[in-house]
Amino acid sequence: DADVTQTPRNRITKTGKRIMLECSQTKGHDRMYWYRQDPGLGLRLIYYSFDVKDINKGEISDGYSVSRQAQAKFSLSLESAIPNQTALYFCATSEGTGGADTQYFGPGTRLTVL
Amino acid sequence: GIQVEQSPPDLILQEGANSTLRCNFSDSVNNLQWFHQNPWGQLINLFYIPSGTKQNGRLSATTVATERYSLLYISSSQTTDSGVYFCAVALFGNQGGKLIFGQGTELSVKP
Repeated sequence: DADVTQTPRNRITKTGKRIMLECSQTKGHDRMYWYRQDPGLGLRLIYYSFDVKDINKGEISDGYSVSRQAQAKFSLSLESAIPNQTALYFCATSEGTGGADTQYFGPGTRLTVL
Repeated sequence: GIQVEQSPPDLILQEGANSTLRCNFSDSVNNLQWFHQNPWGQLINLFYIPSGTKQNGRLSATTVATERYSLLYISSSQTTDSGVYFCAVALFGNQGGKLIFGQGTELSVKP
């Protein structure tokens, strides 16, 4: 959905570098999510945020950190990138009704760590 | 944790054929979504369907929550339908709304 944007769309970096992936949304949703997709697999949750002050770890948070700068912005950082973090990263948003609502996904960021 | 299984894992069709994709899940859910991931990696929402039946053009979906499965029907398939179809669920009481994804069905529609 164009309402959820991610930058950059593609990134190649080296082992040990710090990088940040950014997500912005114009849907006015409170809930935002970061997922990771490895080749041939479904998505797995890294972090999620109910609002600016509420951030929670997901299934695979080790090696990642996040920042919710505003309702509309949710950033994912890799403090020291490693090759097995090479993946497709998706940001998503939802209105927030206890899980029973649609999640809208951004276009994805393809990250390669050499 | 909850298991989400999709079948078949791969499917090859001739253009114009119909198909049915299945998603089984092992626990009660209050959210079920179907997505299409196109060859460029973009995830496209198809249906939000925790129960019941919905239709959108050539696509329709049915979820039978009591029996813990959902079906996605594609009729008169086109080459643009190619890609991977994912089912994702969220559990009741899951206040995070965390979606748990199946492994996907990779569909290839030949002209």
